[in-house]
Formats: sequence, C-alpha cells, structure tokens
Amino acid sequence: AQSVTQPDIHITVSEGASLELRCNYSYGATPYLFWYVQSPGQGLQLLLKYFSGDTLVQGIKGFEAEFKRSQSSFNLRKPSVHWSDAAEYFCAVGSGSYQLTFGKGTKLSVIP
Amino acid sequence: NAGVTQTPKFQVLKTGQSMTLQCAQDMNHEYMSWYRQDPGMGLRLIHYSVGAGITDQGEVPNGYNVSRSTTEDFPLRLLSAAPSQTSVYFCASSLTSYNEQFFGPGTRLTVL
Repeated sequence: AQSVTQPDIHITVSEGASLELRCNYSYGATPYLFWYVQSPGQGLQLLLKYFSGDTLVQGIKGFEAEFKRSQSSFNLRKPSVHWSDAAEYFCAVGSGSYQLTFGKGTKLSVIP
Repeated sequence: NAGVTQTPKFQVLKTGQSMTLQCAQDMNHEYMSWYRQDPGMGLRLIHYSVGAGITDQGEVPNGYNVSRSTTEDFPLRLLSAAPSQTSVYFCASSLTSYNEQFFGPGTRLTVL
C-alpha cells in the first residue's frame, strides 16, 4: 500500500526567506506525485505534479519540487516566501488507479 | 465552467439523522471521489467512482453510502449521523487516473 509522510506539522518562516517542505512516500513502482495547497476555509488547489521525465518540476505561484527516487522524496521549495503563501500544504501520491493517498499536511505560517 | 460544486456549505445534524451531501461537476470527468478532512489527519478517502454505475469503498467507508447514476453527480449519504462524522467533506473529480484531482469548496458538517 502506498503512503505519504510529511514530517513537519507546522513551519514558520519570515517573509522573503526560502522555504522547503518535506515529503517522503512509499510506493513500489514509479509514483505520480502532487503538491496541493489549502487556504483557510477553502478547497485544495494543485500547485504542481510529477508523472515522469525531468525530476525538477515547476508549479504555480513560484513553487518547484524535486523528485528524488533514491530518497523516496518529493520536497517542495520556494526561494522567497510571500505573506500570501501562509496556508496548509499537502503532498499526495497516486498509482494510476485513480486513488490518491495524502500526507497529513504541513501548516505554513509567515512572519511579516 | 463551474468546476466541482458542493452543497450545502455548512450543516448541523443531530445524532441519528440522515442527510445527503451533494456534489456535481461539469467537466465530464469519469472519476469522482469523497474525502473527509479532520485536524491532523489529512484527507481520507471515503468512497470513489470510476464512472456512472460504478462505485467502490475507500479507506473510511463505514456509515456512508454513495451512488453514481450520472457522470455529473456523486451524492454522499449519511445513513444515521454520529458525532464521529463531524468533519469537513470534500468532493473531487479527475479526467483520468493519471490526472490531478479537482476539489470542491467543501461541506462543514457538525453532528451533535
């Protein structure tokens, strides 16, 4: 069975600082990997996805993620955080069978 | 294009009552799913459907019922509400098993 671990429950960064959110997955074959963002009281919005090819994936809002098969990781990064990035971030893994397995999320707080 | 819509946005039930959460999508997606989101638990799959007339159980199906009579609609029924079903419910849809899922805005349900 596939699983996702997001080790950090809550991260606080200063506006303008760089950001890295960690995601580790467990899956036997090549996974399909996603990062979603959820603002308070809202649904989930897709930031980026990895299916195959280039292991560095660019997404919306200046986010990027790197797939590292050897480390079973798909960490999300942003070089300079804005106050509007404060939200909860979810990593998810899919197997091509429609079902997605989500991590428990990382809440990001941004200090002005 | 409205995307994925959910009604109601908020609902309060008494223990033992039944109700139906509505979900509709206008993107002609074959795959639809229901998740519940609880604090610190991420999103957990309740039921999903890969097309009209086809449904299957997810990770936490007990106490919930679904049907899929049309491509557009995928209602979730609570047969006899319990306080443990207090949660935020999200409906999602996807074009294929390899595509990202699009989420509705959610229904916040409280069972007293």
